[in-house]
Amino acid sequence: DSGVTQTPKHLITATGQRVTLRCSPRSGDLSVYWYQQSLDQGLQFLIQYYNGEERAKGNILERFSAQQFPDLHSELNLSSLELGDSALYFCASSPSVGPSDTQYFGPGTRLTVL
Amino acid sequence: GENVEQHPSTLSVQEGDSAVIKCTYSDSASNYFPWYKQELGKGPQLIIDIRSNVGEKKDQRIAVTLNKTAKHFSLHITETQPEDSAVYFCAADTGGFKTIFGAGTRLFVKA
Repeated sequence: DSGVTQTPKHLITATGQRVTLRCSPRSGDLSVYWYQQSLDQGLQFLIQYYNGEERAKGNILERFSAQQFPDLHSELNLSSLELGDSALYFCASSPSVGPSDTQYFGPGTRLTVL
Repeated sequence: GENVEQHPSTLSVQEGDSAVIKCTYSDSASNYFPWYKQELGKGPQLIIDIRSNVGEKKDQRIAVTLNKTAKHFSLHITETQPEDSAVYFCAADTGGFKTIFGAGTRLFVKA
């Protein structure tokens, strides 16, 4: 158990809908990272927050947004969902700003868009 | 752009044999190279990492080597066991606060 929690574990929704994925980092970690894992694309970095501020951005679509709250938990919002957004979404946390920090991954949220 | 290539994509070995997975990276500013193991239905778990001031690091049956000149790093697993079967990812940090992951290697250890 990495100490990173993610909810929900599974999410099934329809095209055009909006969902929110939640992540709680390990105790004391200030950075949160979001990754998308599709069947054929490995782990794609989406975005990083450090102590409430956006720190780095990867291949995150404009339909997706994230934030980190004062208690350091983070939410990833996915809107106008498309079939291709079906994937595993992982959150990771690290003690400081990174990226040379070790990242600890949560168990993931499996999103299915029908 | 920044890229990490990982080979092979699939590796099948007999229990007790060694397994080697190789990665190359493109960003000469990369300094941190972690390896993750992902079992079915779980998130990636760090198994070993190496920093650019070190050429080799070992932890029991797992070792990682780094050649900064050639921009290569490799994972070596000795005396493989069925529970080593999983997907393994290499990764490299970049100068831009990102970590780039390789595409993964699916390791099968046959009993």
